[in-house]
Amino acid sequence: SYVLTQPPSVSVAPGQTARITCGGNNIGSKSVHWYQQKPGQAPVLVVYDDSDRPSGIPERFSGSNSGNTATLTISRVEAGDEADYYCQVWDSSSDHLVVFGGGTKLTVL
Amino acid sequence: EVQLVESGGGVVQPGGSLRLSCAASGFTFDDYAMHWVRQAPGKGLEWVSLISGDGGSTYYADSVKGRFTISRDNSKNSLYLQMNSLRTEDTALYYCAKARATCMDVWGQGTTVTVSS
Repeated sequence: SYVLTQPPSVSVAPGQTARITCGGNNIGSKSVHWYQQKPGQAPVLVVYDDSDRPSGIPERFSGSNSGNTATLTISRVEAGDEADYYCQVWDSSSDHLVVFGGGTKLTVL
Repeated sequence: EVQLVESGGGVVQPGGSLRLSCAASGFTFDDYAMHWVRQAPGKGLEWVSLISGDGGSTYYADSVKGRFTISRDNSKNSLYLQMNSLRTEDTALYYCAKARATCMDVWGQGTTVTVSS
């Protein structure tokens, strides 16, 4: 089945830019979605279809996808952005339709 | 307001059964496919199952295929997950989530399932 690879952790200072990657074979041909999960809370969709934002998500959150890597970019990072972030794709080529990456813990220094 | 509320979790012995429910409100329930996703303690998200809006199509992760059954009652705006032959590795927080094309745009708060002797 399709595998998504994320770095376990990313650290960034407040006000700087955080980039969280999601690697997969030819992931650029798929739509990638990103979820934010704060401790003790349910996941929240922050970016869908590579680069679109649901209503209510700040413009500081953006996404890109090309080749074998998709990237979630968080600009002007705030303390409240500290969370786990998961990428997800739909893999119609297998019975395992939904694939999540292993998650990345974003730490705001 | 779009809302999903899970219930039915609990403690069960290995080999036992549980039925989870998810009550939906704030949207036209039968217009949307629905997912179950779980998260083991301290671990990442794992997709479990998907059901189409009319209930006619269902899909499962290999880890639960043959043991879990997803269903829905559109007249009650409710989603279900019947879990049989439970194993210790099924211990997790179980979320229901509303499908939006290939992503999940609304999640419930989850219900905890603990499989232990």
